[in-house]
Amino acid sequence: AQKVTQAQTEISVVEKEDVTLDCVYETRDTTYYLFWYKQPPSGELVFLIRRNSFDEQNEISGRYSWNFQKSTSSFNFTITASQVVDSAVYFCALSEYTGNQFYFGTGTSLTVIP
Amino acid sequence: EAGVAQSPRYKIIEKRQSVAFWCNPISGHATLYWYQQILGQGPKLLIQFQNNGVVDDSQLPKDRFSAERLKGVDSTLKIQPAKLEDSAVYLCASSQQGRRGETQYFGPGTRLLVL
Repeated sequence: AQKVTQAQTEISVVEKEDVTLDCVYETRDTTYYLFWYKQPPSGELVFLIRRNSFDEQNEISGRYSWNFQKSTSSFNFTITASQVVDSAVYFCALSEYTGNQFYFGTGTSLTVIP
Repeated sequence: EAGVAQSPRYKIIEKRQSVAFWCNPISGHATLYWYQQILGQGPKLLIQFQNNGVVDDSQLPKDRFSAERLKGVDSTLKIQPAKLEDSAVYLCASSQQGRRGETQYFGPGTRLLVL
């Protein structure tokens, strides 16, 4: 079974629009960690955020914000006032306390149209 | 601080040939990971090293893939012989201690095309 589901395969928005990327995870561990990475065309996975399962506070970093809801097992990522440089593939990942392996979703390809 | 370095960036080979990839992790990072990312998918862990010891290689196809990290710093991943289905991006990542939930930092990857 897929531990991390990113149902949106591709999203296109016009510059300055807001966009939310969905991430749903599945785990039986009570302690776990969630991550978002950005993969631009150059290929490198760029770390964006890490969250542990005991911290449900939403986080904002500039135009980026994250909404962690344990009740729905979701860790969604919103980009406000999108820019062309935001065009990339975004991956959500889960690291469980048991096993310590990263489980990546299949990614959401975001295209921001100027 | 320098990031994770990988080389080569691109490699094209014919099936049944051999190929090797190199990775140098962030300075001081004890844990090193190799991932395979097939087009349209998320990265999949192949092997994890803690210093120069293997922690997890359960998903490494050991009949054709091998990896080493002899001095606990840089690492090489080898495929011998390559198959068409090995065409993918091979990503190297490192983390400071390898503790549970620790952030992994990735290199730019090596894009392999097997013809």
